[in-house]
Amino acid sequence: EIVLTQSPGTLSLSPGERATLSCRASQSVSSTYLAWYQQKPGQAPRLLIYGASSRATGIPARFSGSGSGTDFTLTISRLEPEDFAVYYCQQFGSLSWTFGQGTKVEIK
Amino acid sequence: QLQLQESGPGLVKPSETLSLTCAVSGGSVSSTSYYWGWIRQPPGKGLAWIGSIDHSGTTYQNPSLKSRVTISVDTSKNQFSLKLTSVTAADTAVYYCARHDPMTGESFHVWGQGTSVTVSS
Repeated sequence: EIVLTQSPGTLSLSPGERATLSCRASQSVSSTYLAWYQQKPGQAPRLLIYGASSRATGIPARFSGSGSGTDFTLTISRLEPEDFAVYYCQQFGSLSWTFGQGTKVEIK
Repeated sequence: QLQLQESGPGLVKPSETLSLTCAVSGGSVSSTSYYWGWIRQPPGKGLAWIGSIDHSGTTYQNPSLKSRVTISVDTSKNQFSLKLTSVTAADTAVYYCARHDPMTGESFHVWGQGTSVTVSS
């Protein structure tokens, strides 16, 4: 089973700042099958990025994804108040899906 | 527009079986294109994939839960279901159903709102 490790656990930033979230896999992951989600309290997760770098429908351009192999990054170029949330990466491989443990982006 | 809605008991006794259903509207569980999955989230913790099923009824489970998980599809009711046997307090969580989308790398593209299940006597 591929383990995804996200860092940092918590990111304390101010609105307008840039957020860089990391997701590292225990073995190589196909970029096609690497996704990022946003979850706010009391809500279901929302797909942000799929295929490592493609934004899902309706996702603002300030969200971008990059990476390949074992290292992937989610970047939020300028944090808006509504972006403070928990973010999860997720991979699919060998008919199994795994999530990272999440990164909380909180207001500094 | 595709919508998913989980339903089932909010309280289950230890050692019993947890049974949840996900009703699908605006789409068909019979579609050959998609997997339908279950994900859970213990209180204050992260997301964990439980298992998924395709249109043919082939299932895929998290190895850590495989022996306790059964996922099935009811095409007549346009829904799919989860059964988790021999539950313990560690199975207390919000349970989500979701649809995978091959156009988005089999990511969980559409989610239900989630249903909270507590395991307690």
